[in-house]
Amino acid sequence: GAVVSQHPSWVICKSGTSVKIECRSLDFQATTMFWYRQFPKQSLMLMATSNEGSKATYEQGVEKDKFLINHASLTLSTLTVTSAHPEDSSFYICSAYFGGETGELFFGEGSRLTVL
Amino acid sequence: GQQVMQIPQYQHVQEGEDFTTYCNSSTTLSNIQWYKQRPGGHPVFLIQLVKSGEVKKQKRLTFQFGEAKKNSSLHITATQTTDVGTYFCAGAAPGGYNKLIFGAGTRLAVHP
Repeated sequence: GAVVSQHPSWVICKSGTSVKIECRSLDFQATTMFWYRQFPKQSLMLMATSNEGSKATYEQGVEKDKFLINHASLTLSTLTVTSAHPEDSSFYICSAYFGGETGELFFGEGSRLTVL
Repeated sequence: GQQVMQIPQYQHVQEGEDFTTYCNSSTTLSNIQWYKQRPGGHPVFLIQLVKSGEVKKQKRLTFQFGEAKKNSSLHITATQTTDVGTYFCAGAAPGGYNKLIFGAGTRLAVHP
């Protein structure tokens, strides 16, 4: 089946630095990718919708200058957490949709960010 | 905005008992999907329901979509330890082209 790869799986950074997370669809072209944030034992909170070649659509309350999303190709979307602070520590997960009939989203493995 | 509520938050069962999780949307949905997330893992797609009143089965799992397309349920018959995980429903609003809003999830623990 379709595979979405997310990198890095774990990242620890100092407060004030920026971190980039990559989401790649390995064997299909994803028309749309979604970025979620998940706190421990909580649900997935949709942050933004990323379409190839256009600006991302952010959900209400998500700072677009804080969470920069770039969808440069049909197989790659990146999330950059800028000037990270401890409250940004979380599990970030991407998912990809390639337009199949089932509507299935394929999720990456997730990236756990810890900001010291 | 669209909200998807899911209950219960936790469920502990003995192996062999049945389990049900319920999902309710504040707005009519175009479709609802169910995902399972194992501890430490990422969500894995289980099924999509599209039609009003639809019922689908996957072995011991039965999924229902309400007549008004605002609620759904997942029922597991005779749970097994392999059923452990968190089950999420996720609803898509009409015209939302699969932008899914996830419910809070139900964490299932199965005791042998």
